[in-house]
Amino acid sequence: GENVEQHPSTLSVQEGDSAVIKCTYSDSASNYFPWYKQELGKRPQLIIDIRSNVGEKKDQRIAVTLNKTAKHFSLHITETQPEDSAVYFCAARIPAGGGNKLTFGTGTQLKVEL
Amino acid sequence: DADVTQTPRNRITKTGKRIMLECSQTKGHDRMYWYRQDPGLGLRLIYYSFDVKDINKGEISDGYSVSRQAQAKFSLSLESAIPNQTALYFCATSSLAGGPTGELFFGEGSRLTVL
Repeated sequence: GENVEQHPSTLSVQEGDSAVIKCTYSDSASNYFPWYKQELGKRPQLIIDIRSNVGEKKDQRIAVTLNKTAKHFSLHITETQPEDSAVYFCAARIPAGGGNKLTFGTGTQLKVEL
Repeated sequence: DADVTQTPRNRITKTGKRIMLECSQTKGHDRMYWYRQDPGLGLRLIYYSFDVKDINKGEISDGYSVSRQAQAKFSLSLESAIPNQTALYFCATSSLAGGPTGELFFGEGSRLTVL
């Protein structure tokens, strides 16, 4: 099955700095890579996603890049703000069996310090 | 607003007890999922269902069972709970119209503690 590794497990940055979270996946057939943000005590929510036919996608301060050859993808947050503090999960879609079954990474606790 | 609702939100039980976690949704989505969240392990898929009477195992289905009673309801059962099933459980939905890469919408989570 698919295996997704995520690094780092914790990340602390100063407000205004950039943050980068990296993930690798094992199944070259995976074709969809979303990122979910989970604030403390809340449910995970989709913040950005990328499909395998695209190399980069940007939405305001967040961007995701995908390198299919190396089987890794990254989340970039620029000009970090305190409200960016949360746990971020990368995921890869399991191609077999249909539907949107995701294999998640282990999560990155991002802390934005004032 | 259309939502995904889980009950109970918190439950403490003892080893060997049968537990049911319920999920209902008003989003009109046909696909439903149960995930388990453990610190340092991320979210892991337990079971999923694409329609009523369609049940599929995920990566960690041992010790769990599910029932899709209606399009809007998907319940997760632990027949005989054990301490290592202590975790935060999330129900999620997605729409067929969204395709295989449609957004997952999560419920608020059910925290289960097995003593």
